Amino acid sequence: DAKTTQPNSMESNEEEPVHLPCNHSTISGTDYIHWYRQLPSQGPEYVIHGLTSNVNNRMASLAIAEDRKSSTLILHRATLRDAAVYYCILLEGGSEKLVFGKGTKLTVNP
Amino acid sequence: GAVVSQHPSWVICKSGTSVKIECRSLDFQATTMFWYRQFPKQSLMLMATSNEGSKATYEQGVEKDKFLINHASLTLSTLTVTSAHPEDSSFYICSTKGARGPYFGPGTRLTVT
Repeated sequence: DAKTTQPNSMESNEEEPVHLPCNHSTISGTDYIHWYRQLPSQGPEYVIHGLTSNVNNRMASLAIAEDRKSSTLILHRATLRDAAVYYCILLEGGSEKLVFGKGTKLTVNP
Repeated sequence: GAVVSQHPSWVICKSGTSVKIECRSLDFQATTMFWYRQFPKQSLMLMATSNEGSKATYEQGVEKDKFLINHASLTLSTLTVTSAHPEDSSFYICSTKGARGPYFGPGTRLTVT
């Protein structure tokens, strides 16, 4: 499985933007970039995913580098409810099997 | 999107007993479901792939005789932890296919005393 590298932790202030980086230098052409987040004692929650182009939804934006070897999840205005562990995962097209790395623990300060 | 439920949400059992955890796909027929385990302060570890109507496939290091998986219908997969021991205490999470990608259940907290 292609692997991703994320910082162990990041900190942000409430209502400020947050940029969560992810490196995936061994990504293949058919791998989608998925982001999930997990709040304490809950199952992971889908955030966003993309293949080549930048993506936006009501939760976040995903900026994908032109060479696809890295991506950034952008939370435009962090809230206290965004405090979670964020996982960047590569998923081969058509596959449903997610392999989790360690993720980034995001702390949001009031 | 798909909604996935798990039952029970938490369970405490005595060492040596067996515990069954259910995973239901509420609005999506799932030929494949996945079971994960998560220890405190660690990431999710894939245990096995549950296949409707056939045997589950287990990840390396996961004992198939200890973690019995049954996927008898397109909406239900069960994980039975047999002869549970304290080291099996963990957070068990299932996932299934959704419109945008895999969706996860809320998890089941198992504590073995």
